[in-house]
Amino acid sequence: GAGVSQTPSNKVTEKGKYVELRCDPISGHTALYWYRQSLGQGPEFLIYFQGTGAADDSGLPNDRFFAVRPEGSVSTLKIQRTERGDSAVYLCASSQGLGGWNEQFFGPGTRLTVL
Amino acid sequence: ELKVEQNPLFLSMQEGKNYTIYCNYSTTSDRLYWYRQDPGKSLESLFVLLSNGAVKQEGRLMASLDTKARLSTLHITAAVHDLSATYFCAVDVRMVVFGAGTILRVKS
Repeated sequence: GAGVSQTPSNKVTEKGKYVELRCDPISGHTALYWYRQSLGQGPEFLIYFQGTGAADDSGLPNDRFFAVRPEGSVSTLKIQRTERGDSAVYLCASSQGLGGWNEQFFGPGTRLTVL
Repeated sequence: ELKVEQNPLFLSMQEGKNYTIYCNYSTTSDRLYWYRQDPGKSLESLFVLLSNGAVKQEGRLMASLDTKARLSTLHITAAVHDLSATYFCAVDVRMVVFGAGTILRVKS
C-alpha cells in the first residue's frame, strides 16, 4: 500500500503570500501529525488530528498557521502572510491511533522557501 | 517544557567500531522513539520503546530505555558505511518532541 504522501514536494513563494500544503495519510490511519523541520534541527511538533478534530494544536507558532482535516483523511496546512522565517521542510506523519504502539509513518515532506 | 537532548550531535567513526548515542529527556515518559533520516529524505522509524528496561535490536543497532534515569541509548556495533545518516530520538508526552539529532558519518 502507499505510504504518506505530501504535495507539493517543493514550494517557493514570496513574503506575504498564502500557501497550502497537503498531506495524504496512509489509508485507515486515524491520527495525523504535522511537524516543521528547519535545517540542521529535529522536527518540531505543530499539530495533530484524531479523526477530523485537532486534538492538540499547541505547536502552531502563531495565528498565521492553521490546519484542517475535514473528512478525517487528507489534511491541509495553511499559512497566511508567509514570512522568511517560515522557510523549512514541513513533514506530515500518520498512525493507526494515538500513542503507545501506534508508530508514526512520515511522508517525504514539503520544502517551503519564502523569498 | 520537555527538553530532549542528544549527544553527541556529530559522530565520525571508523568502520568496524562500536559507539553509543545518548538521549536524555527532562520529564516523565515511557514512550520513546528512534528515527533515521538520510539527507534530503524523510524519517524512517527504527525503534519504538514503551517501557522501562525495554531493549530492541535490529541488525547492528540496539536501543534501550531507562525511564527512571530518563535516558535512552542507541548502540552501534561494528559500524558500516551504510549506517551514515542522522539519528533522532523523540519522546512522546501527548505530543512528540524530537532531539536535535546526531549526524553519524562512518568512514571506510
